[in-house]
Amino acid sequence: DGGITQSPKYLFRKEGQNVTLSCEQNLNHDAMYWYRQDPGQGLRLIYYSQIVNDFQKGDIAEGYSVSREKKESFPLTVTSAQKNPTAFYLCASSFDSRYGYTFGSGTRLTVV
Amino acid sequence: SQQGEEDPQALSIQEGENATMNCSYKTSINNLQWYRQNSGRGLVHLILIRSNEREKHSGRLRVTLDTSKKSSSLLITASRAADTASYFCATGPYNQGGKLIFGQGTELSVKP
Repeated sequence: DGGITQSPKYLFRKEGQNVTLSCEQNLNHDAMYWYRQDPGQGLRLIYYSQIVNDFQKGDIAEGYSVSREKKESFPLTVTSAQKNPTAFYLCASSFDSRYGYTFGSGTRLTVV
Repeated sequence: SQQGEEDPQALSIQEGENATMNCSYKTSINNLQWYRQNSGRGLVHLILIRSNEREKHSGRLRVTLDTSKKSSSLLITASRAADTASYFCATGPYNQGGKLIFGQGTELSVKP
């Protein structure tokens, strides 16, 4: 079955550490997106990529980095520069926004 | 930047009643989409309405779009307890590639 997979489901980070969240899709979608969701709030765009080897900053890119070396994969690194990383992270993919997004099940990141 | 504002923030109804959620946005759009999120899960795409459409139906869902007022509504008819979730509108701004901007969401509770 085609879909989008995020791992891990839960992730704990110590202060000063970098952590990488995985996002893989087998839908043959060109575009991929990372969003952050804080409790009781909507989604805020971190980074997005419309084609391999190219990506753009979203509204809250500071403290995050991404790569898009393969069409199927769009990993997100939360760096130590991100001062408040505790949140629910959602990855999505699409042919483009005219057709709607397919979302992964999310990664909940907690700083300990 | 949050383009969409949703109203109400929370809605509680009895099974069998209709639920109406509203979304307002600020800029010109290519389309407007509605998504559903069960607690702690990823979002699921429900319906997409293009800027040149005024109304669209899908099962028990009815979406309207008024581009002159920059607003949309989602109607769920004959609601069920399983409809309990958060509902988000998302807009695809004109000339901003494939990215979507999400509203804050409406939390719907359907009591059996």
